[in-house]
Amino acid sequence: EPEVTQTPSHQVTQMGQEVILRCVPISNHLYFYWYRQILGQKVEFLVSFYNNEISEKSEIFDDQFSVERPDGSNFTLKIRSTKLEDSAMYFCASSDYGGPREQYFGPGTRLTVT
Amino acid sequence: AQSVSQHNHHVILSEAASLELGCNYSYGGTVNLFWYVQYPGQHLQLLLKYFSGDPLVKGIKGFEAEFIKSKFSFNLRKPSVQWSDTAEYFCAVNFGGSQGNLIFGKGTKLSVKP
Repeated sequence: EPEVTQTPSHQVTQMGQEVILRCVPISNHLYFYWYRQILGQKVEFLVSFYNNEISEKSEIFDDQFSVERPDGSNFTLKIRSTKLEDSAMYFCASSDYGGPREQYFGPGTRLTVT
Repeated sequence: AQSVSQHNHHVILSEAASLELGCNYSYGGTVNLFWYVQYPGQHLQLLLKYFSGDPLVKGIKGFEAEFIKSKFSFNLRKPSVQWSDTAEYFCAVNFGGSQGNLIFGKGTKLSVKP
């Protein structure tokens, strides 16, 4: 069964550094998402992406965040200057269509900012 | 603001007990409803979903959920749990008009004692 994959599984970085989290969505999917979960809190939507554009973003997704689909398979989340409060599990998801469709989630990247 | 509430943080049951996990959302318009499950060490995966039609939906592994519009609820049920149902369960809602992003509840950890 096709899966969403994410790398790395765990990233440790110092405050102020840039990080790039990588995701490979399911190959025939067209809609891509990033979510995050701070320890002990809810899974929160960050951004959705379709046709090389951001479709929707939450208020969490400020100017320090960006997303990109640099090639036909990868989908990346960049955090320009990490803060301690960016420490969280980041989940990538994809779906074949937008709107109310099942989203397939990756295993997550645990980001620790020290 | 749109929100999703799960009432139980941690539920402990013995095998063969019946399960009901509560989920409520705060929105009077069109919603699309999901339950996801995360088994230890695994991805979030879809248990079941409701878009329209029969408000009683059946999912995988013997789970079902009932959409009660008047109560803004989408409770998850299983008549007889097994040890293998030990996992964290997340209710998620796609609120009408959005591009597909999911608003998650905080999750309920289910522990089933053999």
